[in-house]
Amino acid sequence: EIVMTQSPATLSVSPGERATLSCRASQSVSSNLAWYQQKPGQAPRLLIYGASTRASTIPARFSGSGSGTEFTLTISSLQSEDFGVYYCQQYYNWPPWTFGQGTKVEIK
Amino acid sequence: QVQLVESGGGVVQPGRSLRLSCAASGFTFSSYGMHWVRQAPGKGLEWVAVISHDGSTEYYADSVKGRFTISRDTSKDTLYLQMNSLRPEDTAVYYCAKGPSPFDYWGQGTLVTVSS
Repeated sequence: EIVMTQSPATLSVSPGERATLSCRASQSVSSNLAWYQQKPGQAPRLLIYGASTRASTIPARFSGSGSGTEFTLTISSLQSEDFGVYYCQQYYNWPPWTFGQGTKVEIK
Repeated sequence: QVQLVESGGGVVQPGRSLRLSCAASGFTFSSYGMHWVRQAPGKGLEWVAVISHDGSTEYYADSVKGRFTISRDTSKDTLYLQMNSLRPEDTAVYYCAKGPSPFDYWGQGTLVTVSS
């Protein structure tokens, strides 16, 4: 089973600032990496797939990078609606499909 | 537009059973693998089970193998999760998600509470 590890656990950011979230896989997942956003009381929403492709309707301020075992999600200028928990997920070696433990992005 | 609507959650005693449903619309249900994912209170996401587009293949997380069964009814565009021998640690919000990979659409979830 591939273990996904996210850092930091919590990221405090002021609106308008840049946010950088990291995700590491225990073994290579190539580019089979997705990022999801979850707001309180809501279902997760797909943001990024293929490590760097934005899902439909996702704003350009969200970008993903990386391959192999190291990945980054960057929010270039944080908006108020971007606060929540972000999860990475690998879909290279399954089952199981595995998620990171999440990074909570909160208002500074 | 794609919609996934779960139902069937509730409070159940340990050892009992429950069946969840997920009604799909807005896409060709029979063409896509479908997943169940759960989230315990205050915790992260845990993949539970998947079924292939034609229902011929199923996979389960070790934590539910032998107790849960995923199925689908193409005539009703509905996904199911039969949960038997429920345990307190199965308490979670259960989401259905459209696959196969990545999980591009999710339902709103249904809460299952296992408690005596």
